[in-house]
Amino acid sequence: DTGVSQDPRHKITKRGQNVTFRCDPISEHNRLYWYRQTLGQGPEFLTYFQNEAQLEKSRLLSDRFSAERPKGSFSTLEIQRTEQGDSAMYLCASSPLNGGTEAFFGQGTRLTVV
Amino acid sequence: AQKVTQAQTEISVVEKEDVTLDCVYETRDTTYYLFWYKQPPSGELVFLIRRNSFDEQNEISGRYSWNFQKSTSSFNFTITASQVVDSAVYFCALSVGASGTYKYIFGTGTRLKVLA
Repeated sequence: DTGVSQDPRHKITKRGQNVTFRCDPISEHNRLYWYRQTLGQGPEFLTYFQNEAQLEKSRLLSDRFSAERPKGSFSTLEIQRTEQGDSAMYLCASSPLNGGTEAFFGQGTRLTVV
Repeated sequence: AQKVTQAQTEISVVEKEDVTLDCVYETRDTTYYLFWYKQPPSGELVFLIRRNSFDEQNEISGRYSWNFQKSTSSFNFTITASQVVDSAVYFCALSVGASGTYKYIFGTGTRLKVLA
C-alpha cells in the first residue's frame, strides 16, 4: 500500500493520560499535515511540516499538543494530559513539494477519551 | 477571514435520482482553490476535484459535474443518476494563497444517502 498510513486506527484512553499517534506519508511527499475532525464537523487544520520543519501551527494546537517529524519522513502527534474534548478523529495528509493537485489523506486515528 | 458553508446537513435520494450538493465560500483573497472530497464510512478523504479562482469553467467527470460561480461565491456539485455507492459525506474545502500548501478550510459536510 503506497498511501498515507496512520497508526493506531483507534485509541481509547483515560482522561489525563498521554497518547501518541503516528503518520507515514506517501514516500516522496515533502509536506505533511495534521487535521482534527470532531463528530459532525469538517476537518480542521492543526499543523503542517515541510520536510522536518514545522512551518505553521493553528491556534487549535494547544500547548498540550506537540507534533514532530524528526527525519522528514514519518510524523508523530502527541497529546499530553488528554481531556474529553480531545476525542476526535485525527487525520494526516501529505502532498509533494511541487504542489500537485491535492493533499492525500490517511484513514485517521479515532481517539476516545473516557 | 475564510469560511465554507454547506447548508445541507443530510440529503436522501432514491437511486438514479440526480442530486446537487451546495457549497458557498467566503474569502477576500483573489487567488484561491476550491475542492470537493468524499468521506466514505472507512474515514479517509477521497479527492474529487480542484478548481482555481481564475477558472470558472464547469467540469464534468462521468456522473459528476461541478458548477463554479464567482458571482455568487458558490461551487456546487451534482451527481447524476445517483448510485448506492455514492452514499458518503461530501466536503467542500477552500485553500488560499500559494498553490501546493493544503491548509484547507472545510465546510461541515453534507451526508448523502442513496437508497436502493
